[in-house]
Amino acid sequence: GAGVSQSPSNKVTEKGKDVELRCDPISGHTALYWYRQSLGQGLEFLIYFQGNSAPDKSGLPSDRFSAERTGGSVSTLTIQRTQQEDSAVYLCASSLFSLASDTQYFGPGTRLTVL
Amino acid sequence: QKEVEQDPGPLSVPEGAIVSLNCTYSNSAFQYFMWYRQYSRKGPELLMYTYSSGNKEDGRFTAQVDKSSKYISLFIRDSQPSDSATYLCAAGYPGANNLFFGTGTRLTVIP
Repeated sequence: GAGVSQSPSNKVTEKGKDVELRCDPISGHTALYWYRQSLGQGLEFLIYFQGNSAPDKSGLPSDRFSAERTGGSVSTLTIQRTQQEDSAVYLCASSLFSLASDTQYFGPGTRLTVL
Repeated sequence: QKEVEQDPGPLSVPEGAIVSLNCTYSNSAFQYFMWYRQYSRKGPELLMYTYSSGNKEDGRFTAQVDKSSKYISLFIRDSQPSDSATYLCAAGYPGANNLFFGTGTRLTVIP
């Protein structure tokens, strides 16, 4: 079956522009996660969606970052007024239910470069 | 201080060698420990999952968790060039909404 897909695979933007990153989780997975992977920094948690519950936004680094998940499926991560320090690989993952008992399946990521 | 610390390497070994990858962590609440493998330009994929302390073996891979010393290890026996990747350790605790990852160790197995 299809895995987690993300688009675009690469995005180059100018400082100050807004960008939207898309994630299509595995069908039927109720949990969806966004992480950011920077060189030498490992994976940094950004936001978590579980079913129809309010998302856990505790990892979002600033109010320029927001995310939504429509219909419990597709998710969009939006970064407003991009800065050079936002350059990273943005990874989306999904799991069937909760983190504790289920494997997180990762997409290939979107490589964002802010010039 | 990061919750999970990992030596970034890089690490180069000859084919057939035994590889030892290690992480330490600071949060004693962690109960779940994972190793992910990430090939270049790909997303991480789960390699090993361990609950609490102990060993887990899967083919050429063995994961060890020592909660008394807060130490996580992954051993790869008879390493192959196809094992060349970045290995990420991760930990989580009940009720947490996310995993805590190490920075990853880049491994190269030379034929």
